[in-house]
Amino acid sequence: TQLLEQSPQFLSIQEGENLTVYCNSSSVFSSLQWYRQEPGEGPVLLVTVVTGGEVKKLKRLTFQFGDARKDSSLHITAAQPGDTGLYLCAGARRRGSTLGRLYFGRGTQLTVWP
Amino acid sequence: DAGVIQSPRHEVTEMGQEVTLRCKPISGHNSLFWYRQTMMRGLELLIYFNNNVPIDDSGMPEDRFSAKMPNASFSTLKIQPSEPRDSAVYFCASSLTTAAGGEQYFGPGTRLTVT
Repeated sequence: TQLLEQSPQFLSIQEGENLTVYCNSSSVFSSLQWYRQEPGEGPVLLVTVVTGGEVKKLKRLTFQFGDARKDSSLHITAAQPGDTGLYLCAGARRRGSTLGRLYFGRGTQLTVWP
Repeated sequence: DAGVIQSPRHEVTEMGQEVTLRCKPISGHNSLFWYRQTMMRGLELLIYFNNNVPIDDSGMPEDRFSAKMPNASFSTLKIQPSEPRDSAVYFCASSLTTAAGGEQYFGPGTRLTVT
């Protein structure tokens, strides 16, 4: 059972289009992280959001943490082929026994065609 | 700066053989995680250590899997005997875990193929 559900699972778009990826849960998280993974490599951290309602921007990428800290979204404006990759969200729960552990979603495979 | 180092990068072995995967975490990090990634199941946490002590090994598939962390700079994941269904990419990650959590840094992975 996945604590974090990501949608869509696959996304194939043309260069220049906008897109949004969602990460949802019924559980509350102390923080939520977004990673991007390219073929043959490990996931690389993009951003961490820690406050309910927080919005962070990273160039053309906008990340939002839900007010209740149960969900998050990633919006990409004017997608480029270089944005292609697997996007993973991961939540942290502030509990002594699980401190440091991240709960990963299954990921959204994004392909941007030139 | 050196990131998380994993070896080997690729391993092809026959069913029944012992496989040992190695990981060197980032210096100064106090937590180490072993993950397995497949198309079917995504990224699964196998086991994680905090200050070299195993905290949660509930993700280890069965007794054929074992992991050790003899010191802060080295960890191994062993599969004995290996089976074709163990074929996957195995990642090691490390983090500096504080009361606020921690950001994980992943190694490049070991692609394991068991024939």
